[in-house]
Amino acid sequence: AQSVTQPDIHITVSEGASLELRCNYSYGATPYLFWYVQSPGQGLQLLLKYFSGDTLVQGIKGFEAEFKRSQSSFNLRKPSVHWSDAAEYFCAVVGGSYIPTFGRGTSLIVHP
Amino acid sequence: DGGITQSPKYLFRKEGQNVTLSCEQNLNHDAMYWYRQDPGQGLRLIYYSQIVNDFQKGDIAEGYSVSREKKESFPLTVTSAQKNPTAFYLCASSMVAGGSTDTQYFGPGTRLTVL
Repeated sequence: AQSVTQPDIHITVSEGASLELRCNYSYGATPYLFWYVQSPGQGLQLLLKYFSGDTLVQGIKGFEAEFKRSQSSFNLRKPSVHWSDAAEYFCAVVGGSYIPTFGRGTSLIVHP
Repeated sequence: DGGITQSPKYLFRKEGQNVTLSCEQNLNHDAMYWYRQDPGQGLRLIYYSQIVNDFQKGDIAEGYSVSREKKESFPLTVTSAQKNPTAFYLCASSMVAGGSTDTQYFGPGTRLTVL
């Protein structure tokens, strides 16, 4: 069975600062990994995904994520956060069942 | 524009009533999903369907029912047997049934409140 952990419930950063959101997964083989973003009261939007190949993945809105097999991690990064990035971020893993398993989410708060 | 629509956006229900949440997609996707979202718990899978006239239980199917009579529609009924139905419900679809590389597209959600 697959699982995913987002260790941070809340992250607070200042506008313009760099950001890293953590995601750890559990799966016996190489999984497929996703990051989604959710604005309040809205559905989820895909930021980026990793299937194979280059372990550094570029996404929309200036986000990137790096797959590290040795650490079972897929952390999301952004070099300079904007106030509009304040949202809930979800990491998801897809393994042999082909059905995504979502983490509990990390709420990003951006201070001016 | 292609996408997923959910209606209504807000729904209020009295205890003991069944309610049906609508989900429609015009993306020509094979697979559709229903998730429940509660604060701090992420998304939990209720039901999913990989093809018309077929659907599978997810992790928290008790108290819910679905149908998939048309490719573009996947309504969810919250029955009176669901003990704590107040939540935010999200519908999603993906192109390929069982495609592990596929991306899910989400609707805007329905917030259900039991009075």
